[in-house]
Amino acid sequence: KQEVTQIPAALSVPEGENLVLNCSFTDSAIYNLQWFRQDPGKGLTSLLLIQSSQREQTSGRLNASLDKSSGRSTLYIAASQPGDSATYLCAVTSHFNKFYFGSGTKLNVKP
Amino acid sequence: GAVVSQHPSWVICKSGTSVKIECRSLDFQATTMFWYRQFPKQSLMLMATSNEGSKATYEQGVEKDKFLINHASLTLSTLTVTSAHPEDSSFYICSARDLGTAGELFFGEGSRLTVL
Repeated sequence: KQEVTQIPAALSVPEGENLVLNCSFTDSAIYNLQWFRQDPGKGLTSLLLIQSSQREQTSGRLNASLDKSSGRSTLYIAASQPGDSATYLCAVTSHFNKFYFGSGTKLNVKP
Repeated sequence: GAVVSQHPSWVICKSGTSVKIECRSLDFQATTMFWYRQFPKQSLMLMATSNEGSKATYEQGVEKDKFLINHASLTLSTLTVTSAHPEDSSFYICSARDLGTAGELFFGEGSRLTVL
């Protein structure tokens, strides 16, 4: 069974810092990997989707990389802002309709 | 991006009553939708996969008679919590996969259920 781990569980940084969130998975036979953001009491917002054949995806200040062979993905946030404070989740799709979530990284960006 | 709408966003009910939560894909068709439950400060727990025109597939440990799922059309799935009890109080979230965007998952805003 696929297991997804996110490190760190929580992170607090001052505004303006660049930061990296990590996601690792045990089975490299994935269909895609997706990063989400969840604000308290809200649903999930899709940030980036990386197909298994891709190495990275970028959207604004966000960059996500994927290394299937080592079972890792990173989410890089440049020039962090207080509005980036949220919980970030990664999800791996191993088979088309089977996917697994990490437990999330709770980010706090201090003004 | 694609939009998934969930309704109601919050509901309070008495113990023993049933509550229905709707999940709609607004601008794409979804043959498959997913229902999750989330406890405070925890990640999402997949409850079941809703399949249009056929029975839902439940994850181990989820009571199918307790959590009734219906996927009557390509844009609507419903979750009914039957004979609700206080322990059913939780945050329920649905998602759908947009095949037009290479299988990207989109989530509803969630429904907070409180059973008194």
